[in-house]
Amino acid sequence: EVQLLESGGGLVQPGGSLRLSCAASGFTFNNYAMAWVRQAPGKGLEWVSTITGTSFTTYYADSVKGRFTVSRDNSKNTLHLQMSSLRAEDTAVYYCAKVFIVASTRGFDHWGQGTLVTVSS
Amino acid sequence: DIQMTQSPSSLSASIGDRVTITCRASQAISRYFNWYQQKPGEAPKLLIYGASTLQNGVPSRFSGSGSGTDFTLTISSLQPEDFATYYCQESYSTLYTFGQGTKLEI
Repeated sequence: EVQLLESGGGLVQPGGSLRLSCAASGFTFNNYAMAWVRQAPGKGLEWVSTITGTSFTTYYADSVKGRFTVSRDNSKNTLHLQMSSLRAEDTAVYYCAKVFIVASTRGFDHWGQGTLVTVSS
Repeated sequence: DIQMTQSPSSLSASIGDRVTITCRASQAISRYFNWYQQKPGEAPKLLIYGASTLQNGVPSRFSGSGSGTDFTLTISSLQPEDFATYYCQESYSTLYTFGQGTKLEI
């Protein structure tokens, strides 16, 4: 059974930093790209970042580019999101998700339960 | 960037109703398209991928169609557990843009 467990959320002041982690199990972690998706309180889903299985390629939403860094440790089956220069608008539940690719399509087939990041003074 | 526009934003329906939610992409995305369901306090769940393929375990009352720019999600006979928010998503680009969501209420 695929399991994704996020951690590291909390309250941080504007301009501060936070590192999120996602522990994965139940699948061959290094074979799959992984993603972060966030959801501000009462709002919709926003894709944040994707990293390929080998870490060769990373992608970021314009809203976080230059401030967030995605990484992974395949030896520990763990995904990370390093967030810096945090703003109030980064307040959200952050989900990690496993990327699947089937034939000519792809998406997020498993999600963690999310971790809440609150940016406030 | 590709924009995804869902309609309606909210929808009131009753048990047993047939409902349809639509999503339009700002450019052609072939069938690189997914639907997700999210219930309050829960993570999203993949319902349909590739525009029309049901994810394992999803009831057959859910169906998806479309290609190019216009897509639909249909629930043939609403059940109590179907009241949730539904999101469309393009997977044609590397940005995986979501629609704004459709809240399905009783």
